[in-house]
Amino acid sequence: DTGVSQDPRHKITKRGQNVTFRCDPISEHNRLYWYRQTLGQGPEFLTYFQNEAQLEKSRLLSDRFSAERPKGSFSTLEIQRTEQGDSAMYLCASSLGGTVYYEQYFGPGTRLTVT
Amino acid sequence: DAKTTQPNSMESNEEEPVHLPCNHSTISGTDYIHWYRQLPSQGPEYVIHGLTSNVNNRMASLAIAEDRKSSTLILHRATLRDAAVYYCILRDTDNDMRFGAGTRLTVKP
Repeated sequence: DTGVSQDPRHKITKRGQNVTFRCDPISEHNRLYWYRQTLGQGPEFLTYFQNEAQLEKSRLLSDRFSAERPKGSFSTLEIQRTEQGDSAMYLCASSLGGTVYYEQYFGPGTRLTVT
Repeated sequence: DAKTTQPNSMESNEEEPVHLPCNHSTISGTDYIHWYRQLPSQGPEYVIHGLTSNVNNRMASLAIAEDRKSSTLILHRATLRDAAVYYCILRDTDNDMRFGAGTRLTVKP
């Protein structure tokens, strides 16, 4: 297994543009999570999926953010009308669901810079 | 959510043991104590977790106080590759994780 992968690794965009990130989880994992991390801070939870169902969304996830996991495998996170405050590392993680024991496996992240 | 308190930073010498503390005075009976670490330019990685008893794995040991209001992550022989930010997290569900700012560990050769 190659672990969790994210694409792209880096994205520079101009304010007002839309961006989309992709996450490919570990194949047998039914849980998929998105986090955002700014410099010097720990990751902040955004949303998570159980298979294709989006079960929880943080208040951080404004209306400009949307996440999908259409077939319960890969997921996309789209940010519309980007703002400079959206500049951050966007992390994806996956895990087996159903118990608090299961660890989350994180991808390397997508670093977004909004100019 | 129950919160954790960790020192902002710690230093260690290479090949010496490191004890990373975490206070969680408002922990509930169903909270598991998880530790993750984040190496530079990488996503976080799981280190260890426990509920009441001390735990050991190939990476580290977790010592949990009898009243569960604090815990300590122990790296038995720090290497340069252990330099990272270490996060102590309480979980009572398998949903999201709430990270704090963690402890930045510097390992000196």
